[in-house]
Amino acid sequence: EAQVTQNPRYLITVTGKKLTVTCSQNMNHEYMSWYRQDPGLGLRQIYYSMNVEVTDKGDVPEGYKVSRKEKRNFPLILESPSPNQTSLYFCASSSGSLSNQPQHFGDGTRLSIL
Amino acid sequence: KNEVEQSPQNLTAQEGEFITINCSYSVGISALHWLQQHPGGGIVSLFMLSSGKKKHGRLIATINIQEKHSSLHITASHPRDSAVYICAVPQIGWGAQKLVFGQGTRLTINP
Repeated sequence: EAQVTQNPRYLITVTGKKLTVTCSQNMNHEYMSWYRQDPGLGLRQIYYSMNVEVTDKGDVPEGYKVSRKEKRNFPLILESPSPNQTSLYFCASSSGSLSNQPQHFGDGTRLSIL
Repeated sequence: KNEVEQSPQNLTAQEGEFITINCSYSVGISALHWLQQHPGGGIVSLFMLSSGKKKHGRLIATINIQEKHSSLHITASHPRDSAVYICAVPQIGWGAQKLVFGQGTRLTINP
């Protein structure tokens, strides 16, 4: 089954404790993105990647890192999480440019930073 | 940067009603995406369109490039259609990988 898998689905942690949210897709997609969703602010893009070793900032990249060492994986790293990073996070992938291809979304990861 | 506006923000209707959700954007685009987010939180891509109209079951999406406007219609609405509907457009440049999202329309269909 074609899918985008995020882990963990839920995480409660404390300020400053490094964490990684994993994202894996089994569709051989070149394009992957991370988004966060907050009440009143909607969905906002954090980082995106157009291929292995090619990543770029979205609209809200501060406090986050990503890597794309393999085509299937696109982890989101919070080196020193803070309470303002409490949010619902989504990973997504597409087979090509969003001008002509839809995105496939993971189920989301709900992060709470205390 | 493109600005994306959706209306209405909230919509409550009775089962069976015809539903219309609107999306307007400020800068010319190559495509527009309609997404559905169910109460459980997951997001599903409903449509991606760059011109004309697309139909999938009871859902119809239209776009008018000249007027910079798209609509999502639901015919014979059902309580299971209750969700947040989000439109999004790629920003020009950046390999069309940067999306700008509308704020979403929360739809509630009562039985």
